[in-house]
Amino acid sequence: DTGVSQDPRHKITKRGQNVTFRCDPISEHNRLYWYRQTLGQGPEFLTYFQNEAQLEKSRLLSDRFSAERPKGSFSTLEIQRTEQGDSAMYLCASSLVQVAGGLFEKLFFGSGTQLSVL
Amino acid sequence: DAKTTQPPSMDCAEGRAANLPCNHSTISGNEYVYWYRQIHSQGPQYIIHGLKNNETNEMASLIITEDRKSSTLILPHATLRDTAVYYCIVSPDGSSNTGKLIFGQGTTLQVKP
Repeated sequence: DTGVSQDPRHKITKRGQNVTFRCDPISEHNRLYWYRQTLGQGPEFLTYFQNEAQLEKSRLLSDRFSAERPKGSFSTLEIQRTEQGDSAMYLCASSLVQVAGGLFEKLFFGSGTQLSVL
Repeated sequence: DAKTTQPPSMDCAEGRAANLPCNHSTISGNEYVYWYRQIHSQGPQYIIHGLKNNETNEMASLIITEDRKSSTLILPHATLRDTAVYYCIVSPDGSSNTGKLIFGQGTTLQVKP
């Protein structure tokens, strides 16, 4: 059981720099989610993919943020021109949704990437 | 915004049952009740889910009221490793394009020796 893998675990960057995070979902999982979590708060939804298609983006996802999932496997989340307010834990989750109608969805989360913007 | 209301914190003695309440008075017919927990420095972990009936698995039991407006997560014999933030979430079934989970602030459960 390899689980959801995120890289790096920690990232320290200076304001204005670009950063990229990677998420490797559980093999065969067709949905992939990105969340952001700040201290003391629950995770906040950012965006999600079904296979390679990005189906929804939160209003939290400014134009400095971009996510991709080429070929429906791993995903990357890039933040351009980082700001101190971007400091947070970025969580990735994946799930397998097979049948339309009446199916619960169980998300498997990675351990996250902790971003600190100085 | 989260569709659930949970107490911000609870204590439980080790070995005793922990009963975590959740109100979800605006739940819709096709929405499941999910419980996840997050241990410090880790991602959230699925615990259990339910639609109408009570559910039990190796981790916990979920009791859903008949009107589905509230539920209780029960950890039958809490251990120190159960100390975590517990999130109660309502969400449509996975077939919808929504798909995402909306987390509130959860309940911080402290299990004490």
